[in-house]
Amino acid sequence: SQQGEEDPQALSIQEGENATMNCSYKTSINNLQWYRQNSGRGLVHLILIRSNEREKHSGRLRVTLDTSKKSSSLLITASRAADTASYFCATGPPYGNKLVFGAGTILRVKS
Amino acid sequence: DVKVTQSSRYLVKRTGEKVFLECVQDMDHENMFWYRQDPGLGLRLIYFSYDVKMKEKGDIPEGYSVSREKKERFSLILESASTNQTSMYLCASDRTGNYGYTFGSGTRLTVV
Repeated sequence: SQQGEEDPQALSIQEGENATMNCSYKTSINNLQWYRQNSGRGLVHLILIRSNEREKHSGRLRVTLDTSKKSSSLLITASRAADTASYFCATGPPYGNKLVFGAGTILRVKS
Repeated sequence: DVKVTQSSRYLVKRTGEKVFLECVQDMDHENMFWYRQDPGLGLRLIYFSYDVKMKEKGDIPEGYSVSREKKERFSLILESASTNQTSMYLCASDRTGNYGYTFGSGTRLTVV
């Protein structure tokens, strides 16, 4: 069952620009997480935001969470070619550790 | 550096074969997961385990089984491989409390 849905499905930007990806979900959550996947590899955990938080920063990443709208956004500032990857949001349920992943956004950063 | 290690990056098996995918983590995590990833379908949970010898079905357990005899090792078994099980298989682990998963590099399985 897929809960998170990312938007857009694909994004192409120039190096130095900001990239924004959105995630919507349907049910109550304990937390929302963002992951990156380079082509053909496993996923790498980027950032986790809990349901009682509204915004979180980590380096060039900024995540917001709006639980009233059941949505989150991931902003990557000053993008680099190395940011080219697929980005997935995943929702953590109120109980347990079983994440549900969205279908992902493919980001291409052109140099 | 903490790690989740999947035994094979690429695997080619014949239809009807019994296939074992191994996953080992060195972080003393309680929870381990097996996902498959297919284009357009995202990541789908096959099985997960919260403790040794414990397993629970995910969203698509049909055709698969798992084994967790030791805390650090979680094996996925395809009892009789079929072509529709051709996929990327991803193992992950985390500790209780929602801190984020650590994934292995994935095994790309092709069943011919």
